[in-house]
Amino acid sequence: EVQLVESGGGLVQPGGSLRLSCVASGFTFSSQWMSWVRQAPGKGLEWVADMNGDGTKQYYLKSVKGRFSISRDNAKNSLFLEMNSLRAEDAAVYYCARDHKYTGGWHFDYWGQGTRVTVSS
Amino acid sequence: DIQVTQSPSSLSASVGDRVTIACQTSQDIKNYLNWYQQKPGKAPKLLIYDASILETGVPSRFSGSGSGTHFTFTISSLQVEDIATYYCQQYDGDVFYTFGQGTNLEIK
Repeated sequence: EVQLVESGGGLVQPGGSLRLSCVASGFTFSSQWMSWVRQAPGKGLEWVADMNGDGTKQYYLKSVKGRFSISRDNAKNSLFLEMNSLRAEDAAVYYCARDHKYTGGWHFDYWGQGTRVTVSS
Repeated sequence: DIQVTQSPSSLSASVGDRVTIACQTSQDIKNYLNWYQQKPGKAPKLLIYDASILETGVPSRFSGSGSGTHFTFTISSLQVEDIATYYCQQYDGDVFYTFGQGTNLEIK
């Protein structure tokens, strides 16, 4: 059974930093692209970043590029999101999701339960 | 960047009704369009991928169609457990993903 479990969320002041973690199980983690997707309170879903299986490629939402950094430790089946210079608009539930492709485009076939980030003074 | 417009933003229907949600993109995305269901306080769940392929385990009352820039998601006979927010999501082939604004589906 595929499982994704996020942790690391919490309350942080504007300008502060936070590191989110996601531990995966039930599949060959090192073979899979993985993403972070966020959802601000009462709002829709927004893709934030993703990374390929060996960690050599990463892509970011324009508004977080230069402030957020995605990384992974395949030996520990873990995905990370380092968030710096946090702004009020970064407050959201952050989901870890597995990228998957069948024959067409990419989609997110498994999601974690999410970890909440609150940015407030 | 490709824009995604989902409509309606909210929808009220009765049990047994046929429900349709539309998603339009600003550029041709072939069939790179997916649909998710999200219930309150829960993570999204993949229902349909590549515009029309039903994810394993998803009831057959859910379906999707379309290609290019116009896509449709349909529930053939609405059930109480289908009450949720539904999102379309596009992949533009250039490693970026964009979600629609969501459709909040309620029981009339």
